[in-house]
Amino acid sequence: GDSVTQMEGPVTLSEEAFLTINCTYTATGYPSLFWYVQYPGEGLQLLLKATKADDKGSNKGFEATYRKETTSFHLEKGSVQVSDSAVYFCALINNAGNNRKLIWGLGTSLAVNP
Amino acid sequence: DSGVTQTPKHLITATGQRVTLRCSPRSGDLSVYWYQQSLDQGLQFLIQYYNGEERAKGNILERFSAQQFPDLHSELNLSSLELGDSALYFCASSALGSVHNEQFFGPGTRLTVL
Repeated sequence: GDSVTQMEGPVTLSEEAFLTINCTYTATGYPSLFWYVQYPGEGLQLLLKATKADDKGSNKGFEATYRKETTSFHLEKGSVQVSDSAVYFCALINNAGNNRKLIWGLGTSLAVNP
Repeated sequence: DSGVTQTPKHLITATGQRVTLRCSPRSGDLSVYWYQQSLDQGLQFLIQYYNGEERAKGNILERFSAQQFPDLHSELNLSSLELGDSALYFCASSALGSVHNEQFFGPGTRLTVL
């Protein structure tokens, strides 16, 4: 079945460091890919998405490129801030079939120190 | 603030009991999704309703049920509670029935079963 694998956390960085959170997926067909973020004590928010191969999603300085050849959607940010401390979830929707539910990774916790 | 509200924020109850979680979607959104987030299982999709009708089902136990009312609010009923049901329960809403539309998450209800 469809699945999403994220790198395990927690990830701890200093402010202004470069961030990469790896995400790979397994799915038949051509899934749409998402990154959601969960700030402490809050619900999840959509951070960015990409719906086809080679698409790049970007928001708030974060970027991720849909790589079909490596089945990956790694999240990157050039210079993290303390306010980026949160849990990041990679997810996919398989566009084949009728039951189009979000399939989630387990989440990666990021802590940014000043 | 996503515009999705959930009540109560916290719920503490005993094994064998029954609870009801409530969700009000964003104004105008027709779809409501329920998720369970636990430490060992991550984020699991439970069920989706669209304009009052069940649209998709995920890993929802038979002890759990949900419905969406004519005013579009939704309730998730959990019965014969077990210790393992302790989790954060999120509701999300989106404008249309397809999961390709961005989902907006509520702050969650934290359920503790003692």
